[in-house]
Amino acid sequence: NAGVTQTPKFRVLKTGQSMTLLCAQDMNHEYMYWYRQDPGMGLRLIHYSVGEGTTAKGEVPDGYNVSRLKKQNFLLGLESAAPSQTSVYFCASRSPGGRAWELFFGEGSRLTVL
Amino acid sequence: AQTVTQSQPEMSVQEAETVTLSCTYDTSESDYYLFWYKQPPSRQMILVIRQEAYKQQNATENRFSVNFQKAAKSFSLKISDSQLGDAAMYFCAFRRSGSARQLTFGSGTQLTVLP
Repeated sequence: NAGVTQTPKFRVLKTGQSMTLLCAQDMNHEYMYWYRQDPGMGLRLIHYSVGEGTTAKGEVPDGYNVSRLKKQNFLLGLESAAPSQTSVYFCASRSPGGRAWELFFGEGSRLTVL
Repeated sequence: AQTVTQSQPEMSVQEAETVTLSCTYDTSESDYYLFWYKQPPSRQMILVIRQEAYKQQNATENRFSVNFQKAAKSFSLKISDSQLGDAAMYFCAFRRSGSARQLTFGSGTQLTVLP
């Protein structure tokens, strides 16, 4: 049971470099989310998607872009990384109905921007 | 916008004792969910317990229970018979029912369990 898988788990970037974090889920969930976690601040929503081909901004979207070309994948991109984007990133997914309260998280990706 | 406040950045408890973690929230909604998540050093987010706002009865899951005070907008977590494996960061979270936007998290409480 893979659940929600994030790649890569760790990455170090230099300021100005670009990268993409991949989130894949095998539960046929409609909704997917990207959060960032910083010390003392809990998790904050970056972007989310309610279905294939749709995305929406969350609480802290600046400096990030996302795409949901396939239902099972949700990509988070950093076009020009900044030290302020050093964080742990979590992907999550859920179904809109039934057990809608049940949110499945990936294991997190630690990104360091030098 | 909803806000979730955890006023205790750190707590400690002796093994086998009981500890209560506090959480308050601010919302104008009447229908919502509240959650407690546990995050051990592995970083995995683990759902501990959830409460639907329309339910008056406090949720319980084995050694974990909540004290939900809707009028006061308070949602505390009680851990009974604390175990070493309970040591983790605990997050309180809120979600409006029917919202796709997902959870608003508090800043977390780091729980240490002393042997």
